[in-house]
Amino acid sequence: DSGVTQTPKHLITATGQRVTLRCSPRSGDLSVYWYQQSLDQGLQFLIQYYNGEERAKGNILERFSAQQFPDLHSELNLSSLELGDSALYFCASSDKPYNEQFFGPGTRLTVL
Amino acid sequence: GESVGLHLPTLSVQEGDNSIINCAYSNSASDYFIWYKQESGKGPQFIIDIRSNMDKRQGQRVTVLLNKTVKHLSLQIAATQPGDSAVYFCAERSPYNNNDMRFGAGTRLTVKP
Repeated sequence: DSGVTQTPKHLITATGQRVTLRCSPRSGDLSVYWYQQSLDQGLQFLIQYYNGEERAKGNILERFSAQQFPDLHSELNLSSLELGDSALYFCASSDKPYNEQFFGPGTRLTVL
Repeated sequence: GESVGLHLPTLSVQEGDNSIINCAYSNSASDYFIWYKQESGKGPQFIIDIRSNMDKRQGQRVTVLLNKTVKHLSLQIAATQPGDSAVYFCAERSPYNNNDMRFGAGTRLTVKP
C-alpha cells in the first residue's frame, strides 16, 4: 500500500459526459501528479500540482482539468468524454516535485 | 526532443534465469533515475534508484547499471521468478524537464515456468 488513495476504482460512463476522479496523496506529500495509461501503453503525464499550485503540464487535453485543494487532495475533471478517453488514470504523490513518486491504485475509466 | 525510451517492448525469460531490461535516455543532464514495476491492475511501484554520480547500485535480487557515456540504463533481475512478471518503467529526472520525473514507455517482462 503506497498510502495514495484514489476513488472511484472503476467508472463507466457514456460519451459526452463529465466525470471527476479524486486522489488523496500520502500524508505529508505536497506534490500530486496525474497520469493516463491506455491499454498496453506507458504512463502519459498529464499535470502536476505542488502545494495547491499548478507546476507542470504534460499532454493534457483542454477537455481535462485538475486542481489541488488546501487539504492537498486533488481532483481530475474529464469532460465531453470520448471513447478514446477510456484508460487507467493514476495519481501519484511525492514530498518534493523531483523526488520518488508513490502511485495510487488507479481509476479505470470506461467510456461507452 | 528529450525522451526516455526502451529498447524492447517485451521480454520473455525462463524462471530462474537472469533478466536484463534496458532503457535509453537522451538527456545527458539527467541526474537521477528510477525503475518502477507495474503489475497487472496495479499502480507502478518503486524498485530501485540510482544517481548520476554512481555506475551501479544493488538491491535485493536487482541491480541497476548506469552508463552515462552512452546514456543507457539497465535493470538486472537475478533468478527471475513468476512474480517478477510485470511491466517495468524507467524514469529520469532532468533540469530540462523542470527537474521532474519523466517515464519511458515500459517493457513487459514475462517469466515462463
